[in-house]
Amino acid sequence: QQQVKQSPQSLIVQKGGIPIINCAYENTAFDYFPWYQQFPGKGPALLIAIRPDVSEKKEGRFTISFNKSAKQFSLHIMDSQPGDSATYFCAASFQGGSNYKLTFGKGTLLTVNP
Amino acid sequence: NAGVTQTPKFQVLKTGQSMTLQCAQDMNHEYMSWYRQDPGMGLRLIHYSVGAGITDQGEVPNGYNVSRSTTEDFPLRLLSAAPSQTSVYFCASSYKNIQYFGAGTRLSVL
Repeated sequence: QQQVKQSPQSLIVQKGGIPIINCAYENTAFDYFPWYQQFPGKGPALLIAIRPDVSEKKEGRFTISFNKSAKQFSLHIMDSQPGDSATYFCAASFQGGSNYKLTFGKGTLLTVNP
Repeated sequence: NAGVTQTPKFQVLKTGQSMTLQCAQDMNHEYMSWYRQDPGMGLRLIHYSVGAGITDQGEVPNGYNVSRSTTEDFPLRLLSAAPSQTSVYFCASSYKNIQYFGAGTRLSVL
């Protein structure tokens, strides 16, 4: 059972465009939703994260929008640049305790053309 | 700080061989985990550990063993390699829900 569904699988935009990556989750007990960015040949790295008590979080050109009732969240990249070309993973987990187990989406390969 | 260090970076095995993928972290994190990454499949959790001496299975544990004798080290053992275990393996350690990943080990099983 896939608990976090991510779409699209791949995305191509022009420089300056606003790519949007969507994720949906099933387990309402999830209470922490991070996005990870992975460049070729590297491990994923935390990009931005949100908790369900807010509907939006911005960090620089990256914004997470969160819809608790629909159990969906999305990543928007404003003024995208070729350097943003990477694979993006959404994830979900439970806060608290000592278990930080993350459930990842399948990833979106983003290409930003110059 | 080195962060999370994985060795080797690349490995080719023959079917039936065994090997250990090494993972070490210098951040004193209690939680560590192993993932495999396959095209179109995302990151799938193999095993994880919430502290020295404590390990548990993830989503795809078959064919893999782990142990955690120290906080720093979390090796992943392939008991009898199979072509289906060809993948990129990532180790991660966590602090307050943030997972810090190593650079990965690319494994091919022929």
